[in-house]
Amino acid sequence: QVQLVQSGSELKKPGASVKVSCKASGYTFTSYTMNWVRQAPGQGLEWMGWINTNTGNPTYAQGFTGRFVFSLDTSVSTTYLQISSLKAEDTAVYYCARGSTVPDFWGQGTLVTVSS
Amino acid sequence: DIQMTQSPSSLSASVGDGVTITCRASQSISRNLNWYQQKPGKAPKLLIYATSSLQSGVPSRFSGSGSGTDFTLTISSLQPEDFATYYCQQSYTTPRTFGQGTKVEIK
Repeated sequence: QVQLVQSGSELKKPGASVKVSCKASGYTFTSYTMNWVRQAPGQGLEWMGWINTNTGNPTYAQGFTGRFVFSLDTSVSTTYLQISSLKAEDTAVYYCARGSTVPDFWGQGTLVTVSS
Repeated sequence: DIQMTQSPSSLSASVGDGVTITCRASQSISRNLNWYQQKPGKAPKLLIYATSSLQSGVPSRFSGSGSGTDFTLTISSLQPEDFATYYCQQSYTTPRTFGQGTKVEIK
C-alpha cells in the first residue's frame, strides 16, 4: 500500500536550519511529483511547491524561494525539505503529498517549531 | 495567482442534515478542482478530484459539481465522522492554491 512517512517533530532556534524527510513506499517513486504543503498553527493549507522526482527539478511558490530547498534521493525513495535561517513564522506543520494534478496520498506531517 | 474563495467559512449542522460548501475561483479552472477533508491533528484526505470523481473508499454521500469558476461539495446526510474542515484546491495551474477552508461543526 502507498505510504509517505515523514520524519519527526523538530524544535529549532531562530537562525538554525532544519531538514524534513518524506519516505515513499508502495509505488514507483519516480512516477509521481512530490508536493510540499505548509500549515501554520490554526491556519489553512498553503502550497509551497513541488519536486519532479524523475528529473529532480523543483518548483517553488512565491514566498518559498531562497530559504526553502526541495531535494531527493531516489535510491531510498525519499524527498527532503530544507529550511535555512529559520524564523518564528516558519513554525508550522509541513506535509508532503504525492501527485501533481491530484495529490492523493499525504504524509502524516512534520511539526517544525522555531523558538528561542 | 488564482485565488480560491470558499463559503461559508464555518457552518453548524446536525447529524442527518444535507450540507453544501461552495468554492469560487478567481478565473476559470475548467474542472481542475479537488476537495479535501481534514480532521484536527491529521493530514488532509482526498475526497473528490476533477470536480466530481469520488476518491476510492470515500462514501457516496459526498459529491461534487461545477465547472469554470464555481464549484460545490455536497454531503447528502451528515454523519458524526464528517465533522471536520474542508478545503478546495485548484489543479489547473501553479501555484496550486487552496481555499481558506470551511469548518463543519456540530449544532
